[in-house]
Amino acid sequence: GAGVSQSPRYKVAKRGQDVALRCDPISGHVSLFWYQQALGQGPEFLTYFQNEAQLDKSGLPSDRFFAERPEGSVSTLKIQRTQQEDSAVYLCASSWGGTPSSYEQYFGPGTRLTVT
Amino acid sequence: QKEVEQNSGPLSVPEGAIASLNCTYSDRGSQSFFWYRQYSGKSPELIMFIYSNGDKEDGRFTAQLNKASQYVSLLIRDSQPSDSATYLCAVTSNDMRFGAGTRLTVKP
Repeated sequence: GAGVSQSPRYKVAKRGQDVALRCDPISGHVSLFWYQQALGQGPEFLTYFQNEAQLDKSGLPSDRFFAERPEGSVSTLKIQRTQQEDSAVYLCASSWGGTPSSYEQYFGPGTRLTVT
Repeated sequence: QKEVEQNSGPLSVPEGAIASLNCTYSDRGSQSFFWYRQYSGKSPELIMFIYSNGDKEDGRFTAQLNKASQYVSLLIRDSQPSDSATYLCAVTSNDMRFGAGTRLTVKP
């Protein structure tokens, strides 16, 4: 079946612009996760949804970052007033389980964001 | 101190050898442990997961977990050049935390 998909794959934004990154999880997966991965680093947790409920947003680096999953399937990560330090790959993952520890996560291809 | 620590490498082994990748974690409440492989420019893909102390084998891969020592490892037997990648250790309690990854190079 289809895996996790993300769009766009690449995004170049001028500093100060708003961006929206989309994630389509595997059908039926309850949990959805967003990560930020800087070059040469492991993914850093941003936020987590169980169905439409955002249960943990402790990893969001500032109030410029906002995520939603209104119908419990597709999710959007929005970054307002982008800064150069926001440049990274944004990974989305989904999982069958209702908690982060219950099942393995499957990752999408990521969106590479470059802020100029 | 980072929550999940891995040697960044690079770790270089000859083809056919055993590659040993190590990971330590700080949260004693961690419940699940995962190894992901990430090729350059690609997203992480799951190799193995382990929940209980001891060894878990899957083909050429063996994951080892010691909760008392807060240590998890991955052994790759009969290493192949196609195993050359960055290996990420991930640990979950309330959320999933990744190490920075160990870069493995298998030389023909």
